[in-house]
Amino acid sequence: SQQGEEDPQALSIQEGENATMNCSYKTSINNLQWYRQNSGRGLVHLILIRSNEREKHSGRLRVTLDTSKKSSSLLITASRAADTASYFCATGRYGNKLVFGAGTILRVKS
Amino acid sequence: DVKVTQSSRYLVKRTGEKVFLECVQDMDHENMFWYRQDPGLGLRLIYFSYDVKMKEKGDIPEGYSVSREKKERFSLILESASTNQTSMYLCASSLYGRAGRRGYEQYFGPGTRLTVT
Repeated sequence: SQQGEEDPQALSIQEGENATMNCSYKTSINNLQWYRQNSGRGLVHLILIRSNEREKHSGRLRVTLDTSKKSSSLLITASRAADTASYFCATGRYGNKLVFGAGTILRVKS
Repeated sequence: DVKVTQSSRYLVKRTGEKVFLECVQDMDHENMFWYRQDPGLGLRLIYFSYDVKMKEKGDIPEGYSVSREKKERFSLILESASTNQTSMYLCASSLYGRAGRRGYEQYFGPGTRLTVT
């Protein structure tokens, strides 16, 4: 059951630009997480935001969460070629499981 | 440093073979997960274990079984591999979020790309 849906499916930007990815979900959540996956590799956790938080920062990453709209966004500022990857949002309800979306493919051109 | 390892990066098996995929974590995590990843579908949960010898079905358990005899090791078994099980398999682990706790990040292994011919 796919809960999170990322938008856009693919994004291509120039190095130095900002990249914004969005995630929408359908049911109430306990937390929302963002992960990055480099080509053909495992996922790496980026940031976790809980349902009572509205915004969180980590380095060049900024995540917002709007529970009334059931949506989240991930902003990567001053993007680099090394940010080229797939980005997934995952929603957690009460318990230990996550439900992942299909991902956004980000390409940063140098 | 946190580490999840998977027994193979690439595996090629024949239809009908029994396939074992192994995952080991060194973080003393209670939870372990097996996902498969297919283009356009994201990650789908196959099975989940929250303790030794405990397991729960995920969204797509058909054709798979799991074994967790030790806390650090979680095995995925394809009893009789079929071509529609050709996929990337990802193992993950996390701390256990007890009632009132709000969930934890998952740590992933590098993945096993399985091809069934």
